[in-house]
Formats: sequence, C-alpha cells, structure tokens
Amino acid sequence: KQEVTQIPAALSVPEGENLVLNCSFTDSAIYNLQWFRQDPGKGLTSLLLIQSSQREQTSGRLNASLDKSSGRSTLYIAASQPGDSATYLCAVKKYSGGGADGLTFGKGTHLIIQP
Amino acid sequence: GAGVSQSPRYKVAKRGQDVALRCDPISGHVSLFWYQQALGQGPEFLTYFQNEAQLDKSGLPSDRFFAERPEGSVSTLKIQRTQQEDSAVYLCASSSVGDTEAFFGQGTRLTVV
Repeated sequence: KQEVTQIPAALSVPEGENLVLNCSFTDSAIYNLQWFRQDPGKGLTSLLLIQSSQREQTSGRLNASLDKSSGRSTLYIAASQPGDSATYLCAVKKYSGGGADGLTFGKGTHLIIQP
Repeated sequence: GAGVSQSPRYKVAKRGQDVALRCDPISGHVSLFWYQQALGQGPEFLTYFQNEAQLDKSGLPSDRFFAERPEGSVSTLKIQRTQQEDSAVYLCASSSVGDTEAFFGQGTRLTVV
C-alpha cells in the first residue's frame, strides 16, 4: 500500500526566506505527483503537477522536483510571503495501466510565514 | 461551471440521521472522485466514477456510505445512520480523464452530534 510522508509537519519562518518542503512515497510506480495548497476551511488548490516522466515543474516562485526512483519530491518556495501561509499537501497517483486511481495524500506541512 | 461546486458547505446531523452531499464537477469532466478528510489529516480516497460508472469504491469505510452519479455529471454521496466518526470534510474532485490534473471543490464539513 502506497504511503506518503511529508516533512516537516509544521514550519514557521520569517518573510523573505527561501524554503523547501519534502515529500516521500513508498511505491515508485506512480503516474504523477501533485502539490496542493489548502487554506483553513477551504478546499484544495492545485499548485503543480509533475508527470512520472518529468523531473520538475515551475510556476512563479514555486518549483517542484521529482525523483521517482528514490520516491521523493520537493517543493521549493522562493522569497516567501505572508500570503504563502497555508497547509501544503503532496499527493501521488499510482500507475494502473490505463485505469484511474484516486490520489494518495500525505498529512501536509503547515506553513506560517511571519511578516 | 467555472469550478467544482459542493453543497452544502456545512452540515450538522444528529447521530443516526441520513445525509446527502452534492458535487457538481467541472462541465465535461469525465472523472469524479470523493475524498474524506479528518481534522489534521490528508484527504483519503473514498470512491471514483468515470461518467456514470462507479469503477472503484474500495475506500468507502462501511456499507452506510453510498455514492451515485446517474447521468454522468452531478454526484451525490449519501451517508446513512450517521455516526460521530463520520465527522469530517468531504471533498469532491474532477478531472478531464482519470490520469490528469485533479480539481477540488471547497468541501462539505459534516459534523455529527
């Protein structure tokens, strides 16, 4: 059974710092990996999607990398801002030979950016 | 619609009551997923539809949980005889096909008292 672990569970840093969130998964047979942001009481907002054949994806100040063979992904946030405060979730979709499967999520990293 | 829409946003149910949660996916999206998110946890997969066909219901925690998508668009998650452990946020997601980016709704927060 696929297990996804996110480290750290919580992080509080001053505004302006660059930071890295880590995600690891136990089964490397994945189809894609997706990073989400969740604000309190809200749903999930997709940040970046990395297909299994890709190594990284970038969107603005965000960069996500994927090392499928070692079962790891990192989300890099540059020049953090108070508005980046949220819970960040990593999720993987397993490869099922053309079928579709639900995502397996980590428990998230609760990020606070201090003004 | 512009995004995935879920209703109601909040539901308080007395233990033993039946509830129905609605999901309107993004127009044209073939795949629809339901997830359950307990407080402080990541979402956990419940069930998956491709059009009107329920292809995977392995995540449903008990036979009190039932989902349907009769016309391949709107879906309803029904929970019978609710228990306190059913209290959670129920999230719906849709995608154009099963293996592409998933878009989530705002969720329904269910509290069983």
